[in-house]
Amino acid sequence: SAVISQKPSRDICQRGTSLTIQCQVDSQVTMMFWYRQQPGQSLTLIATANQGSEATYESGFVIDKFPISRPNLTFSTLTVSNMSPEDSSIYLCSVDEAGFVTEAFFGQGTRLTVV
Amino acid sequence: AQTVTQSQPEMSVQEAETVTLSCTYDTSESDYYLFWYKQPPSRQMILVIRQEAYKQQNATENRFSVNFQKAAKSFSLKISDSQLGDAAMYFCAYTHGSGNTGKLIFGQGTTLQVKP
Repeated sequence: SAVISQKPSRDICQRGTSLTIQCQVDSQVTMMFWYRQQPGQSLTLIATANQGSEATYESGFVIDKFPISRPNLTFSTLTVSNMSPEDSSIYLCSVDEAGFVTEAFFGQGTRLTVV
Repeated sequence: AQTVTQSQPEMSVQEAETVTLSCTYDTSESDYYLFWYKQPPSRQMILVIRQEAYKQQNATENRFSVNFQKAAKSFSLKISDSQLGDAAMYFCAYTHGSGNTGKLIFGQGTTLQVKP
């Protein structure tokens, strides 16, 4: 099973600034996924990050607001840009491990508070 | 578009008793997977159980089992002999087949309280 390390675990940021969240996996994976979980809500997929290509964004999420990097098969970053209090959420990184055992693994999440 | 619905925002169970969490989904796909994930206060998403749509047999994992009704598009989770450590938010999730299991669609979640 994949082990995912996500940094930072939490942060408090001023509105108008940007925060970059890092996601490191202990094995090579094809796709990495970024989710947002607003307070008391479910998880919503922001984008899918493939190595060597631009990320694919879901409806309602744009690259200017959530730029993503995927420089190699074990690492990705998500930046939350020009933050507002509405961006206060938990952001989670996920990878899939397809094959015989089908399961998605998650990082521990980044709790972001924008003040 | 696929959707997942959990109609129980909160549930409560007495320790050692059994509780069932409900989930319905909508899809036109024939090949898909369904999951129950547990999210304790630590925020870590933990896979509880997985069901492949092509399997008629209901999945079981120790005290956790599902009732998968494909025609009704229903996927409920039964927790037997509930323990205090089972207290968490539980999410039902869907992904289509072809191994793309990272792209999940989640239900709204059910907060489970376990009373001692």
